[in-house]
Amino acid sequence: DGGITQSPKYLFRKEGQNVTLSCEQNLNHDAMYWYRQDPGQGLRLIYYSQIVNDFQKGDIAEGYSVSREKKESFPLTVTSAQKNPTAFYLCASRRQGGHEQFFGPGTRLTVL
Amino acid sequence: QKEVEQNSGPLSVPEGAIASLNCTYSDRGSQSFFWYRQYSGKSPELIMFIYSNGDKEDGRFTAQLNKASQYVSLLIRDSQPSDSATYLCAIREANSNDYKLSFGAGTTVTVRA
Repeated sequence: DGGITQSPKYLFRKEGQNVTLSCEQNLNHDAMYWYRQDPGQGLRLIYYSQIVNDFQKGDIAEGYSVSREKKESFPLTVTSAQKNPTAFYLCASRRQGGHEQFFGPGTRLTVL
Repeated sequence: QKEVEQNSGPLSVPEGAIASLNCTYSDRGSQSFFWYRQYSGKSPELIMFIYSNGDKEDGRFTAQLNKASQYVSLLIRDSQPSDSATYLCAIREANSNDYKLSFGAGTTVTVRA
């Protein structure tokens, strides 16, 4: 059953803590993306990766970090430096040569 | 990030009617245009994409692109209550070999039974 999985579905964090959001895909897609969505706003790009061991900053990378050690996995760490981390985080992937990005189910992060 | 504008709505249409959604964009060199549907609390799902001027039809959905006027629209024919969702317009940035997308804030559609 191919697709993109994200875990956990809901995550609660205390201020000052780092948390890592998981994104895994078994679609054999080369490119992966992380977005955040805030109420009433469009998706904003945090980081993206076109190939293993390489990634680029998006429009709002400050306070976040990523790694791409395997093609299937693109975890996102929300650090304590991110001042307003409460949001809906979405991971997407795209096959090489394809136009479309497909999204995972998302992780809703709440900072207490 | 390039500017993508959508009317936030809500757009209320009766069941069976046509829902018309519009999206304008600022980057004249944008190449590909996407429509996603997002149900409340869920992730976006791709409806269709278009990259040539004119119309593209897929079932009850038609995307219309006018690059000269820098707008792309989505028509939903024979609207059903299950079409009630937020529709996101996204564009692929010009000269983006990384296939970066810029998203609008979305238009909320409510189909009245």
